[in-house]
Amino acid sequence: KAGVTQTPRYLIKTRGQQVTLSCSPISGHRSVSWYQQTPGQGLQFLFEYFSETQRNKGNFPGRFSGRQFSNSRSEMNVSTLELGDSALYLCASSWVGGSYEQYFGPGTRLTVT
Amino acid sequence: KNEVEQSPQNLTAQEGEFITINCSYSVGISALHWLQQHPGGGIVSLFMLSSGKKKHGRLIATINIQEKHSSLHITASHPRDSAVYICAVRSNNDMRFGAGTRLTVKP
Repeated sequence: KAGVTQTPRYLIKTRGQQVTLSCSPISGHRSVSWYQQTPGQGLQFLFEYFSETQRNKGNFPGRFSGRQFSNSRSEMNVSTLELGDSALYLCASSWVGGSYEQYFGPGTRLTVT
Repeated sequence: KNEVEQSPQNLTAQEGEFITINCSYSVGISALHWLQQHPGGGIVSLFMLSSGKKKHGRLIATINIQEKHSSLHITASHPRDSAVYICAVRSNNDMRFGAGTRLTVKP
């Protein structure tokens, strides 16, 4: 069974630009969660989707948004990029959410210059 | 004070030693996860617990819901166990993370 895939793996953007990251969950998994990891703040919860509905959102500004498609694939978007958005963005999939085992993708490393 | 506290922050052990990493949390939870992150960023879920104890090979995880505490034990540690171990709790439909414990096992 294929694991969680994320594209792209690496990305360099300029301040003010926007970016879209993609996550394909394990086949059959209906929940996708997104996390941001930085050296200063560690891992932080961004959002969780289940069956195309956002179930919760972490404490991030409105520039961070996401969506989930009917095939469970998910995208997250960051608009008006800031230097502080440089981070490793991880997605994880599970059957129904975080109270079940989560399977992590390899992450997208975003650098904002 | 963080809602999820891990100790120690850093741990160096000799190959073969028994290792314990602790996690305390201050919120109500529906589940607790132990994660392993190797250099390069990849994260692997080791355990998901809501009560009691689980064992996979040389790894054992326990949780005490009343005391809001969990421990991850590694028996007969090996250099390939060197990684960052992260405790995460599921609370109110989101996840809260500890800062991680960096484990180095020397041969």
